[in-house]
Amino acid sequence: DAGVIQSPRHEVTEMGQEVTLRCKPISGHDYLFWYRQTMMRGLELLIYFNNNVPIDDSGMPEDRFSAKMPNASFSTLKIQPSEPRDSAVYFCASSFAARRSTDTQYFGPGTRLTVL
Amino acid sequence: GESVGLHLPTLSVQEGDNSIINCAYSNSASDYFIWYKQESGKGPQFIIDIRSNMDKRQGQRVTVLLNKTVKHLSLQIAATQPGDSAVYFCAESNFNKFYFGSGTKLNVKP
Repeated sequence: DAGVIQSPRHEVTEMGQEVTLRCKPISGHDYLFWYRQTMMRGLELLIYFNNNVPIDDSGMPEDRFSAKMPNASFSTLKIQPSEPRDSAVYFCASSFAARRSTDTQYFGPGTRLTVL
Repeated sequence: GESVGLHLPTLSVQEGDNSIINCAYSNSASDYFIWYKQESGKGPQFIIDIRSNMDKRQGQRVTVLLNKTVKHLSLQIAATQPGDSAVYFCAESNFNKFYFGSGTKLNVKP
């Protein structure tokens, strides 16, 4: 298995522009997570899906952020409009679990976003 | 690569020595715990996990200890190697949500 795939690996954009980050989870995994990592706040959970349905988006910082999962093999995280404080590394992770406690999450390589 | 924080606690060990990385978790209801390793420029990588009904679990060169009384988790790495240099995170899980610690940077000196 290729693991979790994220694209692009690096994104540089200007303030006010729309940014779309993409993720392909590991085949067969039914949970998908989006995280943000910054120097100041560490690793933060933004949103997670179970079977393509958003379960908890309480970590999404504000309405400028949105995430979708149209099918089991693809998810997007969109920021519109982007701001310099959105600069961070965004990770996608997936896991396979049907138990009360989520099984091990496998992380993608991340997308480093820089908003100028 | 990415570093987690400007003031990450750092543990420096000599190659071949054993390393112990500690983590305090916050939620007494958390029932699943994981240690992750993050190398520069990469995503976190699973090392070892433990469920709350256990107090010790061993893997290859790694051991995780869980003390629920004081809400403390530790990762022991035996015979530390230069390739072990990375940031190590503990994560606690409760109802499918993971909460990550701020991380500890491990430096292995040759």
